Order: sequence, then structure tokens, then C-alpha cells
Amino acid sequence: AQSVTQLDSQVPVFEEAPVELRCNYSSSVSVYLFWYVQYPNQGLQLLLKYLSGSTLVESINGFEAEFNKSQTSFHLRKPSVHISDTAEYFCAVTTGNEKLTFGTGTRLTIIP
Amino acid sequence: DSGVTQTPKHLITATGQRVTLRCSPRSGDLSVYWYQQSLDQGLQFLIQYYNGEERAKGNILERFSAQQFPDLHSELNLSSLELGDSALYFCASSVGRGRYGYTFGSGTRLTVV
Repeated sequence: AQSVTQLDSQVPVFEEAPVELRCNYSSSVSVYLFWYVQYPNQGLQLLLKYLSGSTLVESINGFEAEFNKSQTSFHLRKPSVHISDTAEYFCAVTTGNEKLTFGTGTRLTIIP
Repeated sequence: DSGVTQTPKHLITATGQRVTLRCSPRSGDLSVYWYQQSLDQGLQFLIQYYNGEERAKGNILERFSAQQFPDLHSELNLSSLELGDSALYFCASSVGRGRYGYTFGSGTRLTVV
């Protein structure tokens, strides 16, 4: 069975500072990894995904995540955050044969 | 617009009542997933349908049921509602088993009073 752990439930960061949201997964087979973002009062939106190939994946709004197989991690990073990045971020994993398993979410709060 | 349509957006009802939430998946998607999101429980997987058949079941109460119709839209039925059922209910869809990710709707906010 697969599982996902998001170690930080809340992360406060000053505006224009860098941020890293941590995600670790557990699976005995190859995985596909995702980050979703949920803005206040909205549904979840796909931010970026790792399916295969380059281990570094990027989103259109400056976020990136790196798949690290040896550390079973898929941490999300942004070099400089903006107020508009305030949201809850969910990491998710699937082996392709099972439904997506979501983490418990990390609430990112940007401090002006 | 994600392509996944959920209605209604808001629902207020009394304890003991029954409600139906509706979801139309993105065009071409055969799988539909239902999730419940509450402050204390987080995002909880309820049930999955694939092309009309139940595929996976999660933490769905016996008072809740769902189905997927031939036109692929899905309905989530919640009965004998309790205060604790107040939550956001999300529907998501995917082409197959979701290896490329899910597309979420904007949710139905259910308030039980």
C-alpha cells in the first residue's frame, strides 16, 4: 500500500522569502507524484506532477518539486513567495493501479 | 473552470434530512471520486466509480451512498444527516485510474443545522 506524509501542518513565511513544503511517500513499487493547491473557498487544483523522466518538475507560477527516489521525497519549493501563494498544499501519490492517496495538507501563510 | 461541475454550490438543511449532491465529470473522464473535507478530518476519500461501476470504497458511512449513471454523471446521497456531516464535498474525475492526476470540482458546501 502507498502512503504520504506531510510533516508540516502549517508553514508561515515572510513575503519574498524562500519556502520548502516537505512530502515523503511510502511505496514498494514505482510511483507517480503530485502537488495540489487549494486557495481559500476553492477546490483543489493540480500544481505540478512527476510521472517519469526529469526528476525536477516546475509549475507555471514559480514552484518546483524534485523527485528523490533514494529519500522517497517530493518536496515543493519556491525561491520567493508572494501573498497570493497563501493556500493549502496537498501532496499525493499513486502507483497507477490505485487511487490517489493524499497527504494531510500544509497550510502556507505569507507574512507581509 | 476545471471542467468538473458540481451542484449545488451551497446547501443548508436540517438534521435528519436527506440530500443529493451532483457531479458531472470532465468530458472524456470515466472515473469519478467523491471526497469529504472538514476542519477536523481533513480530506477524506469516500468512494470511486469507473464507467458506472463502484471501484473503490473509503471512509464512507452507511448513511451515504453514491452511483454513477450511464451518462457518467454521479450523485452522492447523504441521509439521516447529522451536524457532523457539515463539510465540503468534492467530486473529482480522471481518464482512467488517475495516474495522470485528478481534476477537482469546486465543491458543495453542506451545512446541517
